Amino acid sequence: QSALTQPASVSGSPGQSITISCTGSSSDVGNYNLVSWYQQHPGKAPKLMIYEGIKRPSGVSNRFSGSKSGNTASLTISVLQAEDEADYYCCSYAGNNIYVFGTGTTVTVL
Amino acid sequence: EMQVVESGGGLVQPGGSLTLSCAASGFSVTSNYISWVRQAPGKGLEWVSIIYGNGDTYSIDSLKGRFTLSRDTSKNTVYLQLNSLRAEDTAVYFCARGSYGSFDPWGQGTLVSVSS
Repeated sequence: QSALTQPASVSGSPGQSITISCTGSSSDVGNYNLVSWYQQHPGKAPKLMIYEGIKRPSGVSNRFSGSKSGNTASLTISVLQAEDEADYYCCSYAGNNIYVFGTGTTVTVL
Repeated sequence: EMQVVESGGGLVQPGGSLTLSCAASGFSVTSNYISWVRQAPGKGLEWVSIIYGNGDTYSIDSLKGRFTLSRDTSKNTVYLQLNSLRAEDTAVYFCARGSYGSFDPWGQGTLVSVSS
């Protein structure tokens, strides 16, 4: 199972919106509504930001939103803030009780 | 509050073995699933394995036969036994509770270093 493809880096200025893509295949992202997104600050554990492609866990800012089209899922961060600077990973169920993570994206707030 | 705490990491020689623990609190391992995810130094997250509430386990193909999942329901703890360790297994190993196809919460991770 190959890792899902994410851009290595995305940047934006405070207040702007950015979108991170996560491209898989018809065997994973395209076949299941089970894409999740994680934020990871340096030296810290990942934190769930989006599950089932579009749902936000309690306590996660509504500036974070998820979507999916075909084999590509996306995470949008609106009104970018300095605290959003982190690594972001998508993850998808890939069938047969297997999951696959994305390659990861570093978000830089300019 | 749901929480998972990993332990058991350390320095091990190539070919050696290690058993990691994931102690759960605030939920039962018999009615939830737990996954292990690892992260090599400076690298991304890699999904490793899963154990369901009924005890069924699954792992990525490349690790089958070397990594084994088990649990002790009396201790509400899941174990990941790592055998025939290689340098490329060096990573922080996280466990996380699974729900709705996602993982939350995560533990702080435990570092496994494979080196002679």
